[in-house]
Amino acid sequence: DIQMTQSPSTLSANVGDKVTLTCRASQSIRSWLAWYQQKPGKAPHLLIYKASNLESGVPSRFSGSGSGTEFTLTIASLQPDDFATYYCQQYNTYPWTFGQGTKVEVK
Amino acid sequence: EVRLVESGGGLIQPGGSLRLSCAASGFTFSNYEMNWVRQAPGKGLEWISNVSISGISTYYGESVKGRFTISRDNAKNSLYLQMNSLRVEDTAVYYCATGRSCINGLCHDDNYFTHWGQGTLVIVSS
Repeated sequence: DIQMTQSPSTLSANVGDKVTLTCRASQSIRSWLAWYQQKPGKAPHLLIYKASNLESGVPSRFSGSGSGTEFTLTIASLQPDDFATYYCQQYNTYPWTFGQGTKVEVK
Repeated sequence: EVRLVESGGGLIQPGGSLRLSCAASGFTFSNYEMNWVRQAPGKGLEWISNVSISGISTYYGESVKGRFTISRDNAKNSLYLQMNSLRVEDTAVYYCATGRSCINGLCHDDNYFTHWGQGTLVIVSS
C-alpha cells in the first residue's frame, strides 16, 4: 500500500498567516492527489484535486502544488473558518489511502 | 443539490452483521462510481470500498476484504454496504462518497471524493 505522511500533525497559526501543509507519498503517485478539509462532527469537504486543481466554490486562498511524492497545500491568508483538520489522499493506486491529517489550530 | 444520506448504523455485537444504505439524489447516480469511507472515533479517514457504475466491479481495502460487500441499485439511486463478522475495530462513522463519473462507458481518471454524506455511526461492542 502507498503510505501518505502529512506534516506537521498540528499547526498553530493566527488569522492572516500564510500556512503550508505537506504530504509525502511512499512512492510516486504522479499528480493523483486530493486535499480535504474536515471540521469536528462533519464530513470531509473536497478542496483540491489532481494536486493543484481548485474544486468549484473553494476560496482562492487555498492552493495545491507538487507531483511525484511531495505535495503541499497552502492557505494564503488564514481565515477563522479555516481552523480544521486537513487530509491528503492518493488515488494513483488501490487501495486509495489518506494521510493521518494536519490539524490547524489557533495560536 | 447533490445529497447523500446514510442509514443503518447502530450498536452491534462482535461477530454480528449490519447493512448500511446510502440514498442519493440531485445527480445522475448511475453515472458515478461510489465509495465507502470510514473514520474511527478520533482517528483519520480510511477508504474501504468502491463499486463501478454497473455494480460489476468492486474493490476493497484489506481490513474489510472478505467480510464486507458493496453493492448498488441504480433504479433506486442507492448504495449499500453489507458488513459481516464485525469486529470492535470496525467501530467508526461510515460515509458514502461519490467517485469518478463515467459517460457512455468512458470514465474520468479522477478518483477523488467530491460529495459526501453526513455519515452513520457503527459501534461494535459487547
